[in-house]
Amino acid sequence: KAGVTQTPRYLIKTRGQQVTLSCSPISGHRSVSWYQQTPGQGLQFLFEYFSETQRNKGNFPGRFSGRQFSNSRSEMNVSTLELGDSALYLCASSPGTMTTEAFFGQGTRLTVV
Amino acid sequence: QKEVEQDPGPLSVPEGAIVSLNCTYSNSAFQYFMWYRQYSRKGPELLMYTYSSGNKEDGRFTAQVDKSSKYISLFIRDSQPSDSATYLCAMSEGYGGATNKLIFGTGTLLAVQP
Repeated sequence: KAGVTQTPRYLIKTRGQQVTLSCSPISGHRSVSWYQQTPGQGLQFLFEYFSETQRNKGNFPGRFSGRQFSNSRSEMNVSTLELGDSALYLCASSPGTMTTEAFFGQGTRLTVV
Repeated sequence: QKEVEQDPGPLSVPEGAIVSLNCTYSNSAFQYFMWYRQYSRKGPELLMYTYSSGNKEDGRFTAQVDKSSKYISLFIRDSQPSDSATYLCAMSEGYGGATNKLIFGTGTLLAVQP
């Protein structure tokens, strides 16, 4: 069974640009959550999508947005990048019902210069 | 005060030792408790998943949850150098709706010396 796939693995962007990250969950899983991991703040919840609807949202500015497609694949977008957005962005896949068991991808490491 | 507290370490032990990793939390609504292992430059890997209080064993790993004390533990028996990684505890209130999100501890860096 294939795991969670995140693309790209690495990105370097300039301040002010925007970026889109992609996540393909485990087959059959309907929930995709996004987390930001930094050395100072650790793993922080961004948002969760379930059946194409945002079901939960963390405390991040509106520059962070996402969406989910009918095949459960999800994208995350960050607009007007800031230096502080440099982080490892992780996607977690979950069945979405009856359990909060979540499986993570390898992450996308974003560097903003 | 953070919702979940975890000693960041680093924790260094000799090969074969028993390792004890712990987290405390303040939110009494947490019902689901997880332990993840994260190697450098990799995503977190789910090790243990438990519901409510009690113990769960899987091979060399044992997870304990004490909801009355708001305290969870992960024990690693016969530790190996390959266990060297950062261990993260995570918790959630439930599944579905607004409670599905995971709250993580800051992680404990473990080094098992050969």
